[in-house]
Formats: sequence, structure tokens, C-alpha cells
Amino acid sequence: DAGVTQSPTHLIKTRGQHVTLRCSPISGHKSVSWYQQVLGQGPQFIFQYYEKEERGRGNFPDRFSARQFPNYSSELNVNALLLGDSALYLCASSPRPQGLGYMSNQPQHFGDGTRLSIL
Amino acid sequence: GENVEQHPSTLSVQEGDSAVIKCTYSDSASNYFPWYKQELGKRPQLIIDIRSNVGEKKDQRIAVTLNKTAKHFSLHITETQPEDSAVYFCAASINNAGNMLTFGGGTRLMVKP
Repeated sequence: DAGVTQSPTHLIKTRGQHVTLRCSPISGHKSVSWYQQVLGQGPQFIFQYYEKEERGRGNFPDRFSARQFPNYSSELNVNALLLGDSALYLCASSPRPQGLGYMSNQPQHFGDGTRLSIL
Repeated sequence: GENVEQHPSTLSVQEGDSAVIKCTYSDSASNYFPWYKQELGKRPQLIIDIRSNVGEKKDQRIAVTLNKTAKHFSLHITETQPEDSAVYFCAASINNAGNMLTFGGGTRLMVKP
């Protein structure tokens, strides 16, 4: 079975530009989360989407936005890119999010990420 | 919000020895604690996880322990092998808070042959 797939794998942009990153979850998974991983640090939560609705948002500026499509794939958009946005952007999928009345926590499985470099 | 601290930041062991990585969390509402292994240039891979209703979980050479009272959890790797060399991340998640994982800063494990 295919795992989480992300595209593109690498991207180089300049300050002020915008970028769109794409993610396809594992087949059957309906929840997608986005994380930013700066070199040498742990991933930081950006967004979580389930059934096309935003279910969680991390401490990131409004320049970051995302959406989820009917096929559960997702896009992360970043506007007005800054040098500090250079990072590995990871997408993770799981069958369903925690909470919402469910008792069990669902493991998240990550894609290979998109390495974004801002010049 | 939740804060996860991880120690040590680097760990060097001899092949065959055991390795222990420790994490502490701040929010007592956290109830799910996964561990990820990330090799250079690759995706984080889930290697084991534990829920707050369990004190210990084992999977072959890997074990995780959880102390809810002290709010800390640990990863134990026995009989280490060179292929265990990687960066390991602990994480914590709060129920009813979506899928937000709060990660520790990572531990670079080096297993010397």
C-alpha cells in the first residue's frame, strides 16, 4: 500500500513569493495534519484537517493556510514567504483525529516531506 | 499549551549496549505518547506509542515506560545495532485536541560498531 505522498520533494522560492504544497494521505485515512520541521528541531504542528474541516491550528501566522479536498488530499499554502519559512514541511495522515468522542488515539504516519528553501 | 522536553540531545553507545531517552511533558491532560525515528533525510517513522492507561509497552528490542504522576516517559532500546543510529523524537498529544502532536527536541543516537 502507498504511504503518505507529498509533492514537490524540493522547492526553491524567493522572499515574498507564495507556495503550495500537496499531500495525499494513506488510503482510507481521513485526517491530515501539517508540520514544519526546521533543521535540527522537532516538527511543529501547523494544521489538522478532518472531513474537509480545520480541526486544529498551531501557532503560525495567517500567511499559512490549508484546505482538504473531498478525496482527503490536502494543500498547504504559504504567502509572503520569509527566510524563516525555510524548513521541511511534513504531512501526516491518520484514520481519524483524537477526540470528537473517540476514546482511542490514532497513530499519525508521515510523508517524506517537502524541503522548502527561501532565498 | 503543552511543552515536551527531551534528554539527552545526543547519545553515543557501543553496539550491544542499551540506550535510554527520557521525555517530560507539562500538560496532565496529555494521554498519547508516540516515539518517532528519523534517519537523515527521511520521514519520521512511528516506532512505538503508549496510551495513558498503560504503564509500559514492549515491541521486541524497544520498550516505552510512562509515569503519569511524574509526567515523564522514556524509550528503552536494548541490544543496540548500528542501524538504530538516527534521531529519535518523543511527542505528546491531548485528547479532544485534534491530532496535534507536540514534539521534543530530538535525541541523536549513535551506535558505534
